[in-house]
Amino acid sequence: NAGVTQTPKFRVLKTGQSMTLLCAQDMNHEYMYWYRQDPGMGLRLIHYSVGEGTTAKGEVPDGYNVSRLKKQNFLLGLESAAPSQTSVYFCASSYNSGVGYTFGSGTRLTVV
Amino acid sequence: EDQVTQSPEALRLQEGESSSLNCSYTVSGLRGLFWYRQDPGKGPEFLFTLYSAGEEKEKERLKATLTKKESFLHITAPKPEDSATYLCAVHEAGGGNKLTFGTGTQLKVEL
Repeated sequence: NAGVTQTPKFRVLKTGQSMTLLCAQDMNHEYMYWYRQDPGMGLRLIHYSVGEGTTAKGEVPDGYNVSRLKKQNFLLGLESAAPSQTSVYFCASSYNSGVGYTFGSGTRLTVV
Repeated sequence: EDQVTQSPEALRLQEGESSSLNCSYTVSGLRGLFWYRQDPGKGPEFLFTLYSAGEEKEKERLKATLTKKESFLHITAPKPEDSATYLCAVHEAGGGNKLTFGTGTQLKVEL
């Protein structure tokens, strides 16, 4: 019963480097989401997916790309990291729209 | 204009001292209001969903209520293990598949 698993848990990047954050869920959920959480800003939606092979932009998509090649996995990519992308990133999943999400434990990313 | 506003930002209670957290929202059509609990260094944990004004949900020492403009999370006789940040979020009609989150209330319950 892993739920939603995020890797890695911590990462430090230099400005301009790229990386991919992996989210995996074992609940057969259709919907998956990537949020970032910053002090005083709350959770903000970056991108989301309503099913395998689909992706859509959220509130703050610039500088990020996503892919959902398999139903259980949702990848978040940073092509050229910037200090403004220093944040805690959370992946979540749900079986339908408008129901409670299951969140992962987060990835703390620092861009220097 | 913020769609979801939570107050207070921080709350310190003595064990057994009941209180309420507030979540006010401004959306054109509410499809659902959600409460989550978040412990330090962890992801949010789902608590409740409320769908219509007048609805109430309970879980242990927590009770969530909903009106047309706000929701309250009532904490009765809290214990130190209730210390956490409590987040509310709204699912808006016409807002697609996303939840809009408030910035949370950080609750500390002391012995």
